[in-house]
Amino acid sequence: GAGVSQSPRYKVTKRGQDVALRCDPISGHVSLYWYRQALGQGPEFLTYFNYEAQQDKSGLPNDRFSAERPEGSISTLTIQRTEQRDSAMYRCASSGGTGGVYGYTFGSGTRLTVV
Amino acid sequence: AQKVTQAQTEISVVEKEDVTLDCVYETRDTTYYLFWYKQPPSGELVFLIRRNSFDEQNEISGRYSWNFQKSTSSFNFTITASQVVDSAVYFCALSNMNRDDKIIFGKGTRLHILP
Repeated sequence: GAGVSQSPRYKVTKRGQDVALRCDPISGHVSLYWYRQALGQGPEFLTYFNYEAQQDKSGLPNDRFSAERPEGSISTLTIQRTEQRDSAMYRCASSGGTGGVYGYTFGSGTRLTVV
Repeated sequence: AQKVTQAQTEISVVEKEDVTLDCVYETRDTTYYLFWYKQPPSGELVFLIRRNSFDEQNEISGRYSWNFQKSTSSFNFTITASQVVDSAVYFCALSNMNRDDKIIFGKGTRLHILP
């Protein structure tokens, strides 16, 4: 597609439920990144993929968070047993190669609210 | 460790004034990229500029200019003759060139341009 597409745009879920956030990167982009942005804060790195391989998941807060990119294109970030502290904007970015060289294009994000 | 510090949490200036947003970074890498992003009230992240650590030349783009000084590990951003449309949160960010590929953001500076 023309840009990085994320869905849903907004998600409200009850505490304890699982949620799946989807990212559709720019067509052909090799690298895909997930970030979380709490209110009033800068985006915080969660994980990234080159093709289908997860290269770094050091930013995932705990084992309730997982991500996959099985065919090297669309990615899903899953949060199990959601908690109120998980409420944030979740952003996806993609890059044609090494992000520093090719630049990072961010999607509009998914606003997650856990009630 | 890599770190980006934006000491100014919030700045207000009157329209047409010049304003400088400060950014100080820390990295043990000798090769890296620096970025500035704009986040308007609509919430998207808009790329403004990327510089690599080899190039310390200052850059000007219209009313925007950037001052990169490796000696002080700073990458400051100046808006000349500010306009109300410049009101946004501005993020400075850093990524290394050779190791992992994540981009590390500062906490942002909220800029208010008053009419």
